[in-house]
Amino acid sequence: DADVTQTPRNRITKTGKRIMLECSQTKGHDRMYWYRQDPGLGLRLIYYSFDVKDINKGEISDGYSVSRQAQAKFSLSLESAIPNQTALYFCATRGTWDTEAFFGQGTRLTVV
Amino acid sequence: RKEVEQDPGPFNVPEGATVAFNCTYSNSASQSFFWYRQDCRKEPKLLMSVYSSGNEDGRFTAQLNRASQYISLLIRDSKLSDSATYLCVVTRPGAGSYQLTFGKGTKLSVIP
Repeated sequence: DADVTQTPRNRITKTGKRIMLECSQTKGHDRMYWYRQDPGLGLRLIYYSFDVKDINKGEISDGYSVSRQAQAKFSLSLESAIPNQTALYFCATRGTWDTEAFFGQGTRLTVV
Repeated sequence: RKEVEQDPGPFNVPEGATVAFNCTYSNSASQSFFWYRQDCRKEPKLLMSVYSSGNEDGRFTAQLNRASQYISLLIRDSKLSDSATYLCVVTRPGAGSYQLTFGKGTKLSVIP
């Protein structure tokens, strides 16, 4: 089983719909992140959290919200999806101090 | 100047060739450095960390030049399975932690 699990893996939704992407981890890490990846733009940070009571905006947070339900769970919501939110979304975790990131398998989201 | 820059490629090389990628970073306070590998539509996975003294892992060698602010990745005896996108990742001090910054990646295709 993967250490960082994302659900769903693929999703097609309609413009204006609310959608939630979920991430859970078994690594025991405090820090969790949501990124989106678009061709030619690389990975861009949406939100990150250092613990259950800590939520921070990344570089492209507009149109998104997050919830850290527990140390192991971090969900990303699109309140009213729009087509330019079509992308590959990754959840990631990091341990303490200055360590590498571990990624989930990704969620491919298409907004039509 | 972008915080982390990589040549996007693609690099098309024959099997058995040696190929080198460079990555430059703009923030002199950058602390840690990594190379990640990403297969098409999959999650990024850590290939290797980059240490000040340089480090080697089998056919892969990573080097860091802090004075010139670049890191490199050398792949010797390229295999078809090395075909992927290679992401340069740099950390820098940020609010409460060291923040990750990703390059956009360099695409490698190893040709039979």
